[in-house]
Amino acid sequence: GAVVSQHPSRVICKSGTSVKIECRSLDFQATTMFWYRQFPKQSLMLMATSNEGSKATYEQGVEKDKFLINHASLTLSTLTVTSAHPEDSSFYICSARVGSLTDTQYFGPGTRLTVL
Amino acid sequence: QKEVEQNSGPLSVPEGAIASLNCTYSDRVSQSFFWYRQYSGKSPELIMSIYSNGDKEDGRFTAQLNKASQYVSLLIRDSQPSDSATYLCAVNGEAAGNKLTFGGGTRVLVKP
Repeated sequence: GAVVSQHPSRVICKSGTSVKIECRSLDFQATTMFWYRQFPKQSLMLMATSNEGSKATYEQGVEKDKFLINHASLTLSTLTVTSAHPEDSSFYICSARVGSLTDTQYFGPGTRLTVL
Repeated sequence: QKEVEQNSGPLSVPEGAIASLNCTYSDRVSQSFFWYRQYSGKSPELIMSIYSNGDKEDGRFTAQLNKASQYVSLLIRDSQPSDSATYLCAVNGEAAGNKLTFGGGTRVLVKP
């Protein structure tokens, strides 16, 4: 199956700092990548859809100025959490879609962010 | 009403038995359906995708889709303790902007 990597896997930062998370598709080109957030004992919540070469589409309630997404190439998307606060502590997971619009999404291993 | 509904469980099954998970969805024009397994603290892992009515088998897993009744199910045969996880049903369709809509997940516990 398709492999998606994320880096870092875990990050602890101080309140007010910015954190960048990378998502890479290792063995395929992904025209669309997705960013999710998951709080403990809850299901995945889609934050934004990222298309290569264009601006990301954010879900309702997600602040685009706080969660900056860049999809610079067909294999790399980045999520930057700006001015992080403790309530941003969560499990951030990216996925990449292979093929057509209804095709499978493969998930990265996730990044656990803790903001002190 | 949630767009994709699952029983949260836990679904407790003895080792070697069949685990049966169900999922219903509200968007009648949904086109593709997925089951993901998620271990605690890990990201989802694809188990099965299904696009047309009927059964699809892959090893110990069988997915069943009934678009008329708007449900999709997953059977796990010969359940193993390593199958203990949360199983997420996900639905993709035009109405959702070609994005995955997830159910809340069913927690499965396989007891030795």
